[in-house]
Amino acid sequence: AQKITQTQPGMFVQEKEAVTLDCTYDTSDPSYGLFWYKQPSSGEMIFLIYQGSYDQQNATEGRYSLNFQKARKSANLVISASQLGDSAMYFCAMREGRYGNKLVFGAGTILRVKS
Amino acid sequence: GAGVSQSPSNKVTEKGKDVELRCDPISGHTALYWYRQSLGQGLEFLIYFQGNSAPDKSGLPSDRFSAERTGGSVSTLTIQRTQQEDSAVYLCASSLARRLAGGPSGANVLTFGAGSRLTVL
Repeated sequence: AQKITQTQPGMFVQEKEAVTLDCTYDTSDPSYGLFWYKQPSSGEMIFLIYQGSYDQQNATEGRYSLNFQKARKSANLVISASQLGDSAMYFCAMREGRYGNKLVFGAGTILRVKS
Repeated sequence: GAGVSQSPSNKVTEKGKDVELRCDPISGHTALYWYRQSLGQGLEFLIYFQGNSAPDKSGLPSDRFSAERTGGSVSTLTIQRTQQEDSAVYLCASSLARRLAGGPSGANVLTFGAGSRLTVL
């Protein structure tokens, strides 16, 4: 079974609007971490936001927030006030276990911001 | 260094040749990872180093792939007898702390290099 599922291969959003990128995960470990990375066309992977499984509140980092629904095993990324520079590939990833030694990545979602 | 450095940035080779890809992690980062990204795909874990030892090699796709790390710093990924299906971007990443997480200090964040694009003809 896929550990991380991103069901949206591609998304469009109008500049200045908000967009939600979906991510569901599968694990039986009660301790885990969820990450979102951005990969622009230049190829580098940029860390955006992190949510621990025991965190009581949804993580926020500037215009990025993570809608964490533990019972549904979803960790959707919300980008508010989209900018043209947000156009990129976005990856959801999971660390299993408190000291899990790797991140497992989803297939990614391409986001295109329209002016 | 300031970031994770990888070389070469691009490598074109003929099928059957051996290639070496180098990763220079952020200074002081004890954890080092290799991932592979095929065209339009997600990242596939290859190997993890803690210091010079590799406690997790589970992602290496075949015995043609090997990696080493020396001095707790530079790592080399070697692919022997390359095949066309080995064509991909090979990404190296490092972290200061053993536990990957977020946090304002950045110590727990997995930081990636720009990658080495390998094309096997």
